[in-house]
Amino acid sequence: QVQLVESGGGVVQPGRSLRLSCAASRLTFRNYGMHWVRQAPGKGLEWVAVISYDGSDKYYADSVKGRFTISKDNSKNTLYLQMNSLRPEDTAVYYCTTAGGWNAHFEYWGQGTLVTVSS
Amino acid sequence: QSVLTQPPSASGTPGQRVTISCSGSSANIGSNDVCWYQQLPGTAPKLLIHRNNQRPSGVPDRFSGSKSGTSASLAISGLRSEDEADYYCAAWDDSLSVLFGGGTKVTVL
Repeated sequence: QVQLVESGGGVVQPGRSLRLSCAASRLTFRNYGMHWVRQAPGKGLEWVAVISYDGSDKYYADSVKGRFTISKDNSKNTLYLQMNSLRPEDTAVYYCTTAGGWNAHFEYWGQGTLVTVSS
Repeated sequence: QSVLTQPPSASGTPGQRVTISCSGSSANIGSNDVCWYQQLPGTAPKLLIHRNNQRPSGVPDRFSGSKSGTSASLAISGLRSEDEADYYCAAWDDSLSVLFGGGTKVTVL
């Protein structure tokens, strides 16, 4: 059973930074592209970013472009999301998911980690 | 980047058929596959349909998907109480992003 476990969430002040991690197990991580998807409290799903299997291609939602950076370390089976210049509207549960190519096919999901941006 | 358009709610009695629509454009649904996700309260989303109409292993055949032009739909036949959840459509967009629908809350009356 594939397992994705996010960590790194918490309460942070506006303008500060936070780094999320997603540890993957029971899959050949180096063969998978990965996404981050978030969900604000009581709201719908919002795609955040995607990275190709080898880290060579990265794409971002307009709402986070220039502030967030997605990366993956295939030697550690871990996906990251570096979040800078955080805003209150970034408050959400952040999920990591596997990519099934350049599409919206998210087969495996983590349980999510809550990020709260508040002073 | 805009969202795909879904109705905010849908409902039916047990055993009924419920259909959820998802409208996009030529840049997303019109040129890329649609996926559907089910999210039960307090849990992560679950892949329900991929490649417009394909069910992953373990998804009951009561769930079916279709696509025509720039629109897609999810049908739930033989509605059951455990189907009460939020449902989201999603598609890759040619702007190199993923778009989600706003979500449809299905209520079993």
